[in-house]
Amino acid sequence: DQQVKQNSPSLSVQEGRISILNCDYTNSMFDYFLWYKKYPAEGPTFLISISSIKDKNEDGRFTVFLNKSAKHLSLHIVPSQPGDSAVYFCAARDLQGAQKLVFGQGTRLTINP
Amino acid sequence: EADIYQTPRYLVIGTGKKITLECSQTMGHDKMYWYQQDPGMELHLIHYSYGVNSTEKGDLSSESTVSRIRTEHFPLTLESARPSHTSQYLCASSVDQSRNTIYFGEGSWLTVV
Repeated sequence: DQQVKQNSPSLSVQEGRISILNCDYTNSMFDYFLWYKKYPAEGPTFLISISSIKDKNEDGRFTVFLNKSAKHLSLHIVPSQPGDSAVYFCAARDLQGAQKLVFGQGTRLTINP
Repeated sequence: EADIYQTPRYLVIGTGKKITLECSQTMGHDKMYWYQQDPGMELHLIHYSYGVNSTEKGDLSSESTVSRIRTEHFPLTLESARPSHTSQYLCASSVDQSRNTIYFGEGSWLTVV
C-alpha cells in the first residue's frame, strides 16, 4: 500500500518555463513533507520542505504548495534550468513514525534547451 | 553540506558471498538510516538506528543486518548475497526529531551475479 504517490514517472519542460511536479498521499498523519532531488549515481539531496500547518513555502526558484484537504502537494520550479534535470522524490514524515520518511517513486524531470 | 560517506560505491559479487556496505558520518548525528531503491521505484526504509546499540527494522523486509557500535558508523551486512539483493543502498542520517531533514550518502550500487 503506497502512501506517497508520484503518478508521473517523467516530465519534460522547456528551459525557462515552469516545471510542476505533483505528489499525492493517503496518510492523514503525515505532518511534514519534503522534496529531494537525485542525480544519477548520487544520493538524494534535500531541496525544500513544508509543514502541514502551512500551504506554501518558497525558496528562490522553488515553491512547494500543500493542499491538505486534497492530500496533494506540488513543487514548482520557475524558471526551469538545464541543471534542474534530475529525479525528484516527494517524501512525507509520519507523525507517529518518529522521523521515518516515506518516499514516492520519483519523477524524472528533463529540461530541454 | 552533509558529510556522510558510503563504500564501496559500486560492487559486483557472486551469489553466496558475504558483503558489508560501510556508512560513516562525521556530523555527530544520532539517527541513521538505510534505504533501498530499485531503478524507477521509491526509496524503501530497511533499517534505522536512533543511537549507539539501537537498531530497528524498517518498513521493507530485508535479509540484511545492521549494527551501531559507534555513533558515526552504521554498516549493513548481507551474510549470503543473492541476485534479488541487486539494488542501490542509500545510507542517511539526521540530527533530531525537531529537524526534519535527513542527509543521504552517495549510495552503494550492489550487483549480485
